[in-house]
Amino acid sequence: DIVMTQTPLSSPVTLGQPASISCRSSQSLVHSDGNTYLSWLQQRPGQPPRLLIYKISNRFSGVPDRFSGSGAGTDFTLKISRVEAEDVGVYYCMQATQSWTFGQGTKVEIK
Amino acid sequence: QITLKESGPTLVKPTQTLTLTCTFSGFSLSTSGVGVGWIRQPPGKALEWLALIYWDDDKRYSPSLKSRLTITKDTSKNQVVLTMTNMDPVDTATYYCAQNDFWSGRHFDYWGQGTLVTVSS
Repeated sequence: DIVMTQTPLSSPVTLGQPASISCRSSQSLVHSDGNTYLSWLQQRPGQPPRLLIYKISNRFSGVPDRFSGSGAGTDFTLKISRVEAEDVGVYYCMQATQSWTFGQGTKVEIK
Repeated sequence: QITLKESGPTLVKPTQTLTLTCTFSGFSLSTSGVGVGWIRQPPGKALEWLALIYWDDDKRYSPSLKSRLTITKDTSKNQVVLTMTNMDPVDTATYYCAQNDFWSGRHFDYWGQGTLVTVSS
Protein backbone atom coordinates (compact mmCIF):
# COMPACT_ATOMS: atom_id res chain seq x y z
CA ASP A 1 0.00 0.00 0.00
CA ILE A 2 1.12 3.56 -0.67
CA VAL A 3 1.30 5.55 2.55
CA MET A 4 0.58 9.28 2.44
CA THR A 5 2.19 11.47 5.11
CA GLN A 6 1.13 15.07 5.63
CA THR A 7 2.93 17.84 7.50
CA PRO A 8 2.12 19.72 9.57
CA LEU A 9 -0.84 18.04 11.26
CA SER A 10 -2.01 21.42 12.54
CA SER A 11 -1.50 24.86 11.00
CA PRO A 12 -2.60 28.01 12.87
CA VAL A 13 -2.65 30.88 10.38
CA THR A 14 -3.47 34.57 10.43
CA LEU A 15 -6.31 35.75 8.19
CA GLY A 16 -4.91 37.10 4.94
CA GLN A 17 -1.61 35.26 5.33
CA PRO A 18 -0.47 32.28 3.25
CA ALA A 19 -0.61 28.65 4.34
CA SER A 20 1.19 25.61 3.01
CA ILE A 21 0.64 21.88 3.52
CA SER A 22 3.04 19.16 2.46
CA CYS A 23 2.23 15.61 1.45
CA ARG A 24 4.76 12.87 0.86
CA SER A 25 4.04 9.43 -0.60
CA SER A 26 5.93 6.26 0.29
CA GLN A 27 6.56 5.60 -3.42
CA SER A 28 6.36 7.53 -6.65
CA LEU A 29 2.84 8.47 -7.74
CA VAL A 30 3.75 8.55 -11.43
CA HIS A 31 1.45 6.03 -13.10
CA SER A 32 2.53 3.87 -16.05
CA ASP A 33 0.28 6.07 -18.22
CA GLY A 34 2.44 9.09 -17.33
CA ASN A 35 -0.10 10.80 -15.10
CA THR A 36 0.33 11.54 -11.40
CA TYR A 37 -2.93 10.94 -9.56
CA LEU A 38 -2.58 13.20 -6.55
CA SER A 39 -5.51 15.25 -5.35
CA TRP A 40 -6.36 17.54 -2.42
CA LEU A 41 -9.65 17.71 -0.54
CA GLN A 42 -11.03 20.14 2.02
CA GLN A 43 -13.36 19.13 4.83
CA ARG A 44 -15.02 21.97 6.65
CA PRO A 45 -16.40 21.26 10.14
CA GLY A 46 -19.47 19.04 9.97
CA GLN A 47 -19.30 18.77 6.19
CA PRO A 48 -18.33 16.02 3.72
CA PRO A 49 -15.00 16.33 1.92
CA ARG A 50 -14.84 18.59 -1.13
CA LEU A 51 -12.44 18.18 -4.04
CA LEU A 52 -10.08 21.14 -4.48
CA ILE A 53 -7.22 19.98 -6.72
CA TYR A 54 -6.68 16.92 -8.93
CA LYS A 55 -3.66 15.59 -10.84
CA ILE A 56 -1.30 17.70 -8.71
CA SER A 57 -2.30 21.17 -9.86
CA ASN A 58 -5.70 21.24 -11.58
CA ARG A 59 -8.32 23.23 -9.69
CA PHE A 60 -11.76 21.64 -9.62
CA SER A 61 -14.81 23.56 -10.77
CA GLY A 62 -15.67 26.48 -8.50
CA VAL A 63 -12.48 26.35 -6.43
CA PRO A 64 -11.02 29.82 -5.75
CA ASP A 65 -7.68 30.58 -7.38
CA ARG A 66 -6.07 31.25 -3.98
CA PHE A 67 -5.72 27.44 -3.80
CA SER A 68 -2.85 25.95 -5.78
CA GLY A 69 -1.11 22.60 -5.95
CA SER A 70 2.39 21.65 -6.99
CA GLY A 71 4.94 18.86 -6.77
CA ALA A 72 6.12 15.73 -8.50
CA GLY A 73 7.07 12.13 -7.82
CA THR A 74 6.68 11.71 -4.07
CA ASP A 75 6.50 15.29 -2.77
CA PHE A 76 3.49 17.57 -3.13
CA THR A 77 2.28 20.86 -1.71
CA LEU A 78 -1.04 22.64 -1.32
CA LYS A 79 -0.83 26.40 -0.91
CA ILE A 80 -3.45 28.91 0.10
CA SER A 81 -2.23 32.34 -0.98
CA ARG A 82 -4.34 34.35 1.49
CA VAL A 83 -6.30 32.43 4.11
CA GLU A 84 -9.95 33.40 4.57
CA ALA A 85 -12.25 32.44 7.44
CA GLU A 86 -14.10 29.94 5.23
CA ASP A 87 -10.85 28.00 4.67
CA VAL A 88 -10.91 26.63 8.23
CA GLY A 89 -11.09 22.85 8.21
CA VAL A 90 -9.07 19.71 7.59
CA TYR A 91 -7.19 19.18 4.34
CA TYR A 92 -6.37 15.75 2.94
CA CYS A 93 -4.11 14.63 0.15
CA MET A 94 -5.17 11.50 -1.70
CA GLN A 95 -3.38 9.28 -4.18
CA ALA A 96 -5.19 7.30 -6.87
CA THR A 97 -2.18 5.86 -8.70
CA GLN A 98 -2.42 2.52 -6.90
CA SER A 99 -5.87 2.01 -5.37
CA TRP A 100 -6.76 5.01 -3.22
CA THR A 101 -5.19 6.20 0.03
CA PHE A 102 -5.52 9.40 2.03
CA GLY A 103 -3.14 11.34 4.19
CA GLN A 104 -3.92 11.72 7.87
CA GLY A 105 -5.19 15.27 7.41
CA THR A 106 -3.95 18.76 8.30
CA LYS A 107 -6.12 21.00 10.42
CA VAL A 108 -6.09 24.66 9.35
CA GLU A 109 -7.32 27.07 12.00
CA ILE A 110 -7.21 30.81 12.54
CA LYS A 111 -4.79 32.21 15.10
CA GLN B 1 -26.61 18.90 -10.85
CA ILE B 2 -24.88 15.86 -9.38
CA THR B 3 -26.07 14.57 -6.02
CA LEU B 4 -25.40 11.42 -4.01
CA LYS B 5 -27.14 10.23 -0.88
CA GLU B 6 -26.25 7.38 1.45
CA SER B 7 -28.87 5.34 3.26
CA GLY B 8 -28.89 2.41 5.62
CA PRO B 9 -29.06 1.50 9.30
CA THR B 10 -27.67 3.87 11.89
CA LEU B 11 -27.04 1.08 14.39
CA VAL B 12 -25.81 -2.45 13.83
CA LYS B 13 -24.77 -5.14 16.28
CA PRO B 14 -21.34 -6.76 16.31
CA THR B 15 -21.03 -9.68 13.86
CA GLN B 16 -23.98 -8.42 11.79
CA THR B 17 -23.76 -7.49 8.10
CA LEU B 18 -24.06 -3.83 7.11
CA THR B 19 -25.83 -2.92 3.88
CA LEU B 20 -25.56 0.65 2.61
CA THR B 21 -27.15 2.14 -0.49
CA CYS B 22 -25.91 5.11 -2.46
CA THR B 23 -28.63 6.73 -4.59
CA PHE B 24 -27.39 9.27 -7.07
CA SER B 25 -28.64 11.65 -9.73
CA GLY B 26 -27.12 13.87 -12.39
CA PHE B 27 -24.97 11.15 -13.96
CA SER B 28 -25.24 7.57 -15.18
CA LEU B 29 -23.17 4.57 -14.20
CA SER B 30 -23.47 3.35 -17.76
CA THR B 31 -21.35 6.26 -19.01
CA SER B 32 -17.77 5.36 -19.87
CA GLY B 33 -15.35 6.45 -17.16
CA VAL B 34 -17.88 6.87 -14.37
CA GLY B 35 -17.51 5.12 -11.05
CA VAL B 36 -18.92 5.29 -7.52
CA GLY B 37 -16.84 4.62 -4.46
CA TRP B 38 -17.29 4.25 -0.72
CA ILE B 39 -15.09 5.99 1.83
CA ARG B 40 -15.48 5.99 5.60
CA GLN B 41 -14.34 8.23 8.45
CA PRO B 42 -14.31 7.13 12.11
CA PRO B 43 -15.22 9.96 14.49
CA GLY B 44 -12.37 12.46 14.66
CA LYS B 45 -10.18 10.42 12.34
CA ALA B 46 -9.00 10.40 8.74
CA LEU B 47 -10.68 9.16 5.58
CA GLU B 48 -10.33 5.54 4.49
CA TRP B 49 -11.21 4.25 1.02
CA LEU B 50 -13.25 1.03 1.02
CA ALA B 51 -14.46 0.05 -2.44
CA LEU B 52 -15.27 1.33 -5.91
CA ILE B 53 -17.27 0.11 -8.91
CA TYR B 54 -16.87 1.39 -12.47
CA TRP B 55 -19.26 1.70 -15.39
CA ASP B 56 -17.94 -1.55 -16.89
CA ASP B 57 -18.56 -3.44 -13.60
CA ASP B 58 -14.85 -3.39 -12.71
CA LYS B 59 -14.75 -3.64 -8.91
CA ARG B 60 -11.91 -2.54 -6.63
CA TYR B 61 -11.56 -3.21 -2.91
CA SER B 62 -9.32 -2.05 -0.10
CA PRO B 63 -6.81 -4.88 0.39
CA SER B 64 -7.21 -4.79 4.17
CA LEU B 65 -11.02 -5.15 4.01
CA LYS B 66 -11.48 -7.08 0.78
CA SER B 67 -12.70 -10.28 2.45
CA ARG B 68 -15.57 -8.42 4.13
CA LEU B 69 -16.78 -6.15 1.31
CA THR B 70 -19.05 -6.53 -1.69
CA ILE B 71 -19.99 -3.68 -4.02
CA THR B 72 -22.72 -3.89 -6.67
CA LYS B 73 -24.57 -1.49 -8.93
CA ASP B 74 -28.08 -1.19 -10.29
CA THR B 75 -27.76 1.14 -13.26
CA SER B 76 -31.51 1.32 -13.86
CA LYS B 77 -32.11 2.54 -10.30
CA ASN B 78 -29.02 4.79 -10.14
CA GLN B 79 -27.87 2.95 -7.04
CA VAL B 80 -24.70 1.38 -5.69
CA VAL B 81 -24.84 -1.00 -2.74
CA LEU B 82 -22.03 -1.83 -0.33
CA THR B 83 -22.19 -4.76 2.06
CA MET B 84 -19.73 -5.26 4.89
CA THR B 85 -19.81 -8.47 6.87
CA ASN B 86 -18.86 -9.25 10.45
CA MET B 87 -19.21 -5.69 11.77
CA ASP B 88 -17.15 -4.66 14.80
CA PRO B 89 -17.23 -1.57 17.03
CA VAL B 90 -14.07 -0.32 15.26
CA ASP B 91 -16.20 -0.05 12.09
CA THR B 92 -18.18 2.79 13.69
CA ALA B 93 -17.81 5.65 11.22
CA THR B 94 -19.48 8.03 8.82
CA TYR B 95 -19.77 6.26 5.48
CA TYR B 96 -19.63 8.37 2.32
CA CYS B 97 -20.28 7.52 -1.28
CA ALA B 98 -18.66 9.63 -3.99
CA GLN B 99 -18.50 9.83 -7.77
CA ASN B 100 -15.23 8.88 -9.42
CA ASP B 101 -14.05 9.86 -12.90
CA PHE B 102 -11.61 7.35 -14.35
CA TRP B 103 -10.64 9.31 -17.47
CA SER B 104 -10.03 12.71 -15.89
CA GLY B 105 -8.02 11.67 -12.87
CA ARG B 106 -9.61 8.91 -10.77
CA HIS B 107 -10.45 11.44 -8.09
CA PHE B 108 -13.67 11.64 -6.09
CA ASP B 109 -15.29 14.81 -7.35
CA TYR B 110 -18.78 14.75 -5.82
CA TRP B 111 -19.62 13.42 -2.37
CA GLY B 112 -22.74 12.54 -0.47
CA GLN B 113 -23.42 14.00 2.98
CA GLY B 114 -22.51 10.71 4.64
CA THR B 115 -24.34 8.42 7.03
CA LEU B 116 -23.14 7.64 10.55
CA VAL B 117 -23.13 3.95 11.38
CA THR B 118 -22.61 2.90 15.00
CA VAL B 119 -21.65 -0.67 15.85
CA SER B 120 -22.75 -1.59 19.35
CA SER B 121 -24.57 -4.35 21.16
